[in-house]
Amino acid sequence: RKEVEQDPGPFNVPEGATVAFNCTYSNSASQSFFWYRQDCRKEPKLLMSVYSSGNEDGRFTAQLNRASQYISLLIRDSKLSDSATYLCVVNKKGGSYIPTFGRGTSLIVHP
Amino acid sequence: DTAVSQTPKYLVTQMGNDKSIKCEQNLGHDTMYWYKQDSKKFLKIMFSYNNKELIINETVPNRFSPKSPDKAHLNLHINSLELGDSAVYFCASTPGMKGAPQYEQYFGPGTRLTVT
Repeated sequence: RKEVEQDPGPFNVPEGATVAFNCTYSNSASQSFFWYRQDCRKEPKLLMSVYSSGNEDGRFTAQLNRASQYISLLIRDSKLSDSATYLCVVNKKGGSYIPTFGRGTSLIVHP
Repeated sequence: DTAVSQTPKYLVTQMGNDKSIKCEQNLGHDTMYWYKQDSKKFLKIMFSYNNKELIINETVPNRFSPKSPDKAHLNLHINSLELGDSAVYFCASTPGMKGAPQYEQYFGPGTRLTVT
């Protein structure tokens, strides 16, 4: 099993749709979790951190389920500008904290 | 006011050559990273330095050698380049000590390396 797994997609949705991505991780000792967004030929940028209690930022909601070892990202009212690849990141504890990225889920929002 | 910068942005070179990529951050962060993103877009950590000390060294061929002259700079030198080294290399930094997990990473714009 890969350390961090994501459905690569692409998810092809119309504007205004609600779309959800999941990300599973294998290391139960993982400490922290993030969603990053990467546009084509650009660097990844933080979208949001994922807290145990779940958190929301505008149209975006992130959830963590430690028992089942997955995190999710929900995007409501999709915009054309949401088209990007969404990367799940899990920090696992080694000698230091090691960030492990998922392969990313591609989202295409069409008119 | 660039936060994390990398040079060069593009690098085209022949197999067998030696090349370096430079990274600088002006954020005052303690920890810096090198990542490789291959053609399948998989972003994989290679190295991490915390205040000039190597703290993460993943399974990377020893043709790759990082060097951190000070905590604001992390360079990557690659010897005897191979076709499989073609990828985008990203530098990143984070304020956490030893990559403390609660902090986000800030990425540079990437260096697109093509080995012919």
